[in-house]
Amino acid sequence: GENVEQHPSTLSVQEGDSAVIKCTYSDSASNYFPWYKQELGKGPQLIIDIRSNVGEKKDQRIAVTLNKTAKHFSLHITETQPEDSAVYFCAASPLAGNQGGKLIFGQGTELSVKP
Amino acid sequence: SAVISQKPSRDICQRGTSLTIQCQVDSQVTMMFWYRQQPGQSLTLIATANQGSEATYESGFVIDKFPISRPNLTFSTLTVSNLSPEDSSIYLCSVAGASNQPQHFGDGTRLSIL
Repeated sequence: GENVEQHPSTLSVQEGDSAVIKCTYSDSASNYFPWYKQELGKGPQLIIDIRSNVGEKKDQRIAVTLNKTAKHFSLHITETQPEDSAVYFCAASPLAGNQGGKLIFGQGTELSVKP
Repeated sequence: SAVISQKPSRDICQRGTSLTIQCQVDSQVTMMFWYRQQPGQSLTLIATANQGSEATYESGFVIDKFPISRPNLTFSTLTVSNLSPEDSSIYLCSVAGASNQPQHFGDGTRLSIL
């Protein structure tokens, strides 16, 4: 089955700096890769996702890149702000078949943005 | 995206009892899932809740321990049976319009076992 590895487990940056979180996956059948932000006491919130037919997607300060050959994808946050502090999870799944929609999550990265 | 309500938001239960968690969505959705998040850990899929039929469980999770109902396209329940301290976790439901659509999560139920 699918296995998703996420690094680093913790990340501390100064406000205004960039943050990068990396994930690798094992199953070549995976073709959908969402990123979630989880704040304390809340459920995970979808912040950006990418499908395997594109290599990069950007939404304001957040971008995701995908390298299908190497089976890795990354989250990039620019101009970080204290409110970006949270736990971030990557995930992978196929979009169809009997595993369609079943998300396998990485271990999470606790991001701390210091003012 | 859909508004997802989970009840209760938290509970403290005695060993050996059961707790039923409700997940209500404000619009019809094809896919509903239940996840477990142990303290400080990542999310693990328990099962896919299928409307009108038995849930599909992932490896390591069984129906006797985690019975699931899904009577319609907007509602599902997860029961955690015969509670033990190892069941102390956050239980989350998620929904998607289809298997190829983004999943959105409720805020979870925080369960502690005495």
